[in-house]
Amino acid sequence: QSVLTQPPSASGTPGQRVTISCSGGNSNIGSNAVDWYQHLPGAAPTLLIFTSNQRPSGVPARFSGSKSGTSASLAISGLQSEDEADYYCAAWDDSLSGYVFGTGTKVTVL
Amino acid sequence: EVQLLESGGGLVQPGGSLRLSCAASEFTSDNYVITWVRQAPGKGLEWVSGFSGDSGRTYYANSVKGRFTISKDNSNNTLYLQMDSLGAGDTAVYYCAKGYHSSGYYQYYLDHWGQGTLVTVSS
Repeated sequence: QSVLTQPPSASGTPGQRVTISCSGGNSNIGSNAVDWYQHLPGAAPTLLIFTSNQRPSGVPARFSGSKSGTSASLAISGLQSEDEADYYCAAWDDSLSGYVFGTGTKVTVL
Repeated sequence: EVQLLESGGGLVQPGGSLRLSCAASEFTSDNYVITWVRQAPGKGLEWVSGFSGDSGRTYYANSVKGRFTISKDNSNNTLYLQMDSLGAGDTAVYYCAKGYHSSGYYQYYLDHWGQGTLVTVSS
């Protein structure tokens, strides 16, 4: 049972903006940076956002991250069909001495 | 570009053991982490265990603590996960992932992933 909670699903039409929330606590998001991963079916997960709002090279600018208190969010602006995937937030948890993933959000492009 | 190649997955009976391997093409920084992350069928990602490159410390999820052991062979840049007392709940695709952590672990992220190896625990 994950300590980071995400909505199970989100959807939008092409071009729309979709936002995914990630709720945690003081020992994880409240104390440490948040990362986001994209997981396409049949593929390995890929890092989408690190240190709460940084994009690795090659990740489109339509993906952005933010953090406030014990919550974080991922925004996808200008949704595209290839964005249909599962998205996970993650953070180091000081109490557990481990890295925790969120429950995951499936994004559907209508 | 770092390449990670997992091996060692397969079918094992409940209560049995299995050792996974992850061959890495390079370890170029001190503050690296190399981890195992799994995904059970129909479930989300679960961090299993991690190794810190600068301290040599190892970390485990509560679900595997006392049953799994992570280790690294510096002579051949290979990470291992020894899995003992396996149960049905350990059935999953196991990914090897490499990344970075800052002092104190404020920053911790995984920017290179292998393709995964399937472990099935069944009689």
